[in-house]
Amino acid sequence: AQTVTQSQPEMSVQEAETVTLSCTYDTSESDYYLFWYKQPPSRQMILVIRQEAYKQQNATENRFSVNFQKAAKSFSLKISDSQLGDAAMYFCAYRSKSGSRLTFGEGTQLTVNP
Amino acid sequence: EAGVTQFPSHSVIEKGQTVTLRCDPISGHDNLYWYRRVMGKEIKFLLHFVKESKQDESGMPNNRFLAERTGGTYSTLKVQPAELEDSGVYFCASSQFLRGGYTFGSGTRLTVV
Repeated sequence: AQTVTQSQPEMSVQEAETVTLSCTYDTSESDYYLFWYKQPPSRQMILVIRQEAYKQQNATENRFSVNFQKAAKSFSLKISDSQLGDAAMYFCAYRSKSGSRLTFGEGTQLTVNP
Repeated sequence: EAGVTQFPSHSVIEKGQTVTLRCDPISGHDNLYWYRRVMGKEIKFLLHFVKESKQDESGMPNNRFLAERTGGTYSTLKVQPAELEDSGVYFCASSQFLRGGYTFGSGTRLTVV
């Protein structure tokens, strides 16, 4: 069974600075998807970024980028130029290529200090 | 386009009572998922509907939980009788395609006292 681990329950960053959230996972599969989701205080979870395992190039979405290390089974999220609106709970998630359900990590609560 | 709607947003019930959570997916989304996050823990899969059929209910914790999706539209998740360990946030999500991207609802925070 796949597992996802987020070892940082809480992180904080100064506005305009850069922060990296860690995620590791365990799987025996070779092709899969990885996701970062953000849950702001309003509680609707939204997709931040997605990575397909067969793609070596790291995904990027504006200020959000990932460092995907397939051999190490690591999938960290870097937020550049942090903004107050980035404050949220961030969840790392895994999905098998052949499946539809998500396996989540425990989440990292990010605080952005003005 | 309306998003995924869940209600109630909060529910506080006593142990032994019954609670029904509702999820309205995005219109046209055949796939509907229920997940749960117990405080401080990871979000866990509960079950997956394709239209009105249960595609995968392997995550349902026990037979006190009953999920339905009549007519393939909205879904309900009933907990009867509720126990203290059922407290948490229950998320619903929908997707148009089987392996398509999810749209999540805002969740229902259930507190059992």
